[in-house]
Amino acid sequence: DGGITQSPKYLFRKEGQNVTLSCEQNLNHDAMYWYRQDPGQGLRLIYYSQIVNDFQKGDIAEGYSVSREKKESFPLTVTSAQKNPTAFYLCASSMTRGENIQYFGAGTRLSVL
Amino acid sequence: GESVGLHLPTLSVQEGDNSIINCAYSNSASDYFIWYKQESGKGPQFIIDIRSNMDKRQGQRVTVLLNKTVKHLSLQIAATQPGDSAVYFCAEKASGGSYIPTFGRGTSLIVHP
Repeated sequence: DGGITQSPKYLFRKEGQNVTLSCEQNLNHDAMYWYRQDPGQGLRLIYYSQIVNDFQKGDIAEGYSVSREKKESFPLTVTSAQKNPTAFYLCASSMTRGENIQYFGAGTRLSVL
Repeated sequence: GESVGLHLPTLSVQEGDNSIINCAYSNSASDYFIWYKQESGKGPQFIIDIRSNMDKRQGQRVTVLLNKTVKHLSLQIAATQPGDSAVYFCAEKASGGSYIPTFGRGTSLIVHP
């Protein structure tokens, strides 16, 4: 089955800890995205990548970092600098940077211990 | 379950009724619009899209209407079923601008059997 896989489904972070959320896609898509979703709000863009070894900051990049070493993978690290990390994180991909339709993973819920 | 529906505008309907979900957009340059459905604990899923050169587009049980004059978009769901219960997002995009869509807050649709 083709799709986007996010793991883990639930993640807990301790004070001062960095955590990494995984996102893998087997759709052969060039572009990948990370969004943050808080209750009552729309999706806010954290980072995006148009192609391997390239990524750009979105609207709320502070406290987050990403890498795009492989086409299939776009992991997101939530660093200790992110003071309010509790949220639902969604990864998406699209065929190319100009492709309008994004395909989403099932999300990772991050909570702070 | 996922709490993304909290504090969102909510539409409650009876099974079998028609549902109309509204979305206002702010960018008059937006020329492409997408509706997504997000079920509890899952990522958004593409439903239907429409370009600004159209006023109406129909899919299976869904119709999207676009009124560019008042910058308003609506999603109509015919014969609503309990499985339609979800949060519905509209997204807009302007050609020539960022290729990444901007998402609205979403509307929570609750279908009562």
